[in-house]
Amino acid sequence: DTAVSQTPKYLVTQMGNDKSIKCEQNLGHDTMYWYKQDSKKFLKIMFSYNNKELIINETVPNRFSPKSPDKAHLNLHINSLELGDSAVYFCASSSLGLPIYNEQFFGPGTRLTVL
Amino acid sequence: AQTVTQSQPEMSVQEAETVTLSCTYDTSESNYYLFWYKQPPSRQMILVIRQEAYKQQNATENRFSVNFQKAAKSFSLKISDSQLGDTAMYFCAFMKQNTDKLIFGTGTRLQVFP
Repeated sequence: DTAVSQTPKYLVTQMGNDKSIKCEQNLGHDTMYWYKQDSKKFLKIMFSYNNKELIINETVPNRFSPKSPDKAHLNLHINSLELGDSAVYFCASSSLGLPIYNEQFFGPGTRLTVL
Repeated sequence: AQTVTQSQPEMSVQEAETVTLSCTYDTSESNYYLFWYKQPPSRQMILVIRQEAYKQQNATENRFSVNFQKAAKSFSLKISDSQLGDTAMYFCAFMKQNTDKLIFGTGTRLQVFP
């Protein structure tokens, strides 16, 4: 059983296109995240959603728009793709039980290549 | 702002030997969590070990253990009896208590040789 899944795993597209990456979790978690890992392997959080509400919104171009249709899904839509958007995008989920820490489970990643 | 520094871009170790990966962090917080994540060539991010800052005892998980020095803001990972499957990128990460925002270091690439 896949806990956190992402589709597609690989995405190759042209500059200027609009694309979406889908994420689904079957762990019953209430919080989902998007991370970006650049070509130097640096991993940084982009967004987090709790119960379909935006919680964390890092300094990310507004061409990136997360959409959460329900607690189990958090999709990432990217408009007007640029070369610098090429990266691996990871989805993750957790049960937000603050102040107690709950592990974040990561998806397999989506490698986006913008030509 | 919190920062996490991993000063070793690459490390190598022979199978069955022990290796230590370094991590330092900067924070003014007193309550936080520290983590080591493993990213093998498959790209999957896997949590290796976690340490709560309020705990003085170092965390251990089988062959993996940490040396947590709160005053020095140091959090190293020791891998004992290294195995070929330990070959991966290792990321140190920080999370302030009462948040769920993970802050990662730049990673250390570990190669285990037979």
